[in-house]
Amino acid sequence: KAGVTQTPRYLIKTRGQQVTLSCSPISGHRSVSWYQQTPGQGLQFLFEYFSETQRNKGNFPGRFSGRQFSNSRSEMNVSTLELGDSALYLCASSLGPGDYEQYFGPGTRLTVT
Amino acid sequence: AQKVTQAQTEISVVEKEDVTLDCVYETRDTTYYLFWYKQPPSGELVFLIRRNSFDEQNEISGRYSWNFQKSTSSFNFTITASQVVDSAVYFCALSERYGGATNKLIFGTGTLLAVQP
Repeated sequence: KAGVTQTPRYLIKTRGQQVTLSCSPISGHRSVSWYQQTPGQGLQFLFEYFSETQRNKGNFPGRFSGRQFSNSRSEMNVSTLELGDSALYLCASSLGPGDYEQYFGPGTRLTVT
Repeated sequence: AQKVTQAQTEISVVEKEDVTLDCVYETRDTTYYLFWYKQPPSGELVFLIRRNSFDEQNEISGRYSWNFQKSTSSFNFTITASQVVDSAVYFCALSERYGGATNKLIFGTGTLLAVQP
């Protein structure tokens, strides 16, 4: 069974631009969560989606948004990029919320210049 | 408030030594889950274990073992006979049920384990 896939793997953007990251969960998994990892703040929760509905949101500004499609694939968008948005963005998938293991993808490394 | 503390920032051992990574958590919930993940230099978080708050049995998987003690709010991870391939950052994480089932993970700051040959 294929694991969680994230595209693109690396991205370089300029301040003020916007970016869209994609995550395809493991086949059969309906829950997707997103995390931001930076050296200063560590791993921080961004959002959680299940059945196309956002169930939970972390403490991030409104520039960070996401969505989930009917095939469980998810995208997250960051508008008006800032230098501090440079990070590794990780996506995790699971069968559902709460009672299941969560498996992570390889991440998207975003650099904002 | 929920919190995960990994007090050991970096640990260096020589191959074949045993090493224990500490994890202490705080939660207001009675039902919660604890996790350990491994992050090698490639960056992907590799799932190691999930344990629910009602199951205090210790677990062993090959060279890995976990000791869960609710009395001290700890969920420690031991690697026996460490190998160079064990070198990575290890994260402990907590997921609560308060307010409903969720996959939101609260991570500790991680412990960098370096296993020298």
